[in-house]
Amino acid sequence: EVQLVESGGGLVQPGRSLRLSCAASGFTFDDFAMHWVRQVPGKGLEWVSGISWNSGSTGYADSVKGRFTIYRDDAKNSLYLQMNSLRHEDTAFYYCAKASSYAWIGNWFDPWGQGTLVTVSS
Amino acid sequence: EIVLTQSPGTLSLSPGERATLSCRASQSVSSNYLAWYQQKPGQAPRLLIYGASSRATGIPDRFSGSGSGTDFTLTISRLEPEDFAVYYCQQYGSSLFTFGPGTKVDIK
Repeated sequence: EVQLVESGGGLVQPGRSLRLSCAASGFTFDDFAMHWVRQVPGKGLEWVSGISWNSGSTGYADSVKGRFTIYRDDAKNSLYLQMNSLRHEDTAFYYCAKASSYAWIGNWFDPWGQGTLVTVSS
Repeated sequence: EIVLTQSPGTLSLSPGERATLSCRASQSVSSNYLAWYQQKPGQAPRLLIYGASSRATGIPDRFSGSGSGTDFTLTISRLEPEDFAVYYCQQYGSSLFTFGPGTKVDIK
C-alpha cells in the first residue's frame, strides 16, 4: 500500500524558515515525480511545487517562487519542501502527493498524504 | 494560467439522486488533462477521475467523468451517503497546475 506521511509543520514567525518532509513507502519512490499542494483551512487547493523522478526538473507556483525549494532524497524515500521568508499567507495544510509518472508535468496526483499544518504568525 | 470555474458552489441532494457537477476552463485543457478529486472533512483529497473520463483504481462505477476542451462534467449516478463531500477539478496540462474552487455536495 502506498503511504505518504508529512511532518515538520508547526508555528513559525513571519520571515523565518521551515522545512517540511514527506516519507514515502509502498512504491518505488525514485520512479515517480512528486508534488506539494497546500490548502488554507476551509478553503480550496493550491499547487505549490513539483519535482521530477530524477530531480532534473522542478516547478513552482508564482506565489512561492524564489522562497520555497523542493528536493528529494531517493536513498531515504523522502520528499522535502524548504520554505524561507515565510508570510502570513503561507499558513495552510501542506500535502505531498505522488505523481502518476516520472515527469512532474502532465500527471495527476494519487495518492496524497494526510497533510501537515503550517501556521505563520507572530 | 488556466482558471477553472466550478458550478454550482453547493449542490443539495438526497441519497439516491443524481449529481451533475460542472468544471469550466478559461482556455482549452491540453490533451484533456483534467482530474477530479473528492475531499471529506479532515481528510486528504482522493483521486476519482483522470484524463477527463478514466476512473481511478477502486472508484465505484457510479462516478463518471466527461467533457473536453473547456467544459467538463463529473456525474454521480446515484448518491450514496459516503458521497457527500467537496469535489475539485484540476487541470494538469500546463506547467502551472490549477484547481477549481470546489463544489460541495451536501444532504438535502
